[in-house]
Amino acid sequence: GEDVEQSLFLSVREGDSSVINCTYTDSSSTYLYWYKQEPGAGLQLLTYIFSNMDMKQDQRLTVLLNKKDKHLSLRIADTQTGDSAIYFCAESIYNNNDMRFGAGTRLTVKP
Amino acid sequence: NAGVTQTPKFQVLKTGQSMTLQCAQDMNHEYMSWYRQDPGMGLRLIHYSVGAGITDQGEVPNGYNVSRSTTEDFPLRLLSAAPSQTSVYFCASSYSGTNEKLFFGSGTQLSVL
Repeated sequence: GEDVEQSLFLSVREGDSSVINCTYTDSSSTYLYWYKQEPGAGLQLLTYIFSNMDMKQDQRLTVLLNKKDKHLSLRIADTQTGDSAIYFCAESIYNNNDMRFGAGTRLTVKP
Repeated sequence: NAGVTQTPKFQVLKTGQSMTLQCAQDMNHEYMSWYRQDPGMGLRLIHYSVGAGITDQGEVPNGYNVSRSTTEDFPLRLLSAAPSQTSVYFCASSYSGTNEKLFFGSGTQLSVL
């Protein structure tokens, strides 16, 4: 996971937008993912973006990819208390057999 | 739809003991993998399998063995547990590899004393 970096904590107020940032290092990554982990549970895929795209929108989620800077972000609009969780950025390595994860950003949503 | 099932959810071992973490999926996925999750670090790949009878090492394989005798099952064996193996272990599967959606189990929290 050391090749993918994320800030560890983010706190926002309910109704605000949340932006979680990630940097990765492997320019040959084909897919980049955002996973959500709720307490005591496994990771669930939130959304993903193919490496030749700049942006992907899925309801309240917007993913932005800057390939030049190897920067990925996840924006959650109208953040709710149910969005409180740990969010992991991940890149799929070119050989399709490994996925590199960041350490996760713990999002806390205050009412 | 059970998805990916891991057992046990919690386990405490003494140093030197051996045990097997179980993982089963009912989605007919070819690719299965084991990750460990440590505080402040991302998930790290231990071993993976691209089909029955085929396994390979990931980033942190030392101290662990795997086998894949069926498509459904992918057990992880700790041969002689060490405190450094205290972690949360996740099993994951997908149709063919990490270039598509990975389904995760709910994890096994292992403590080695």
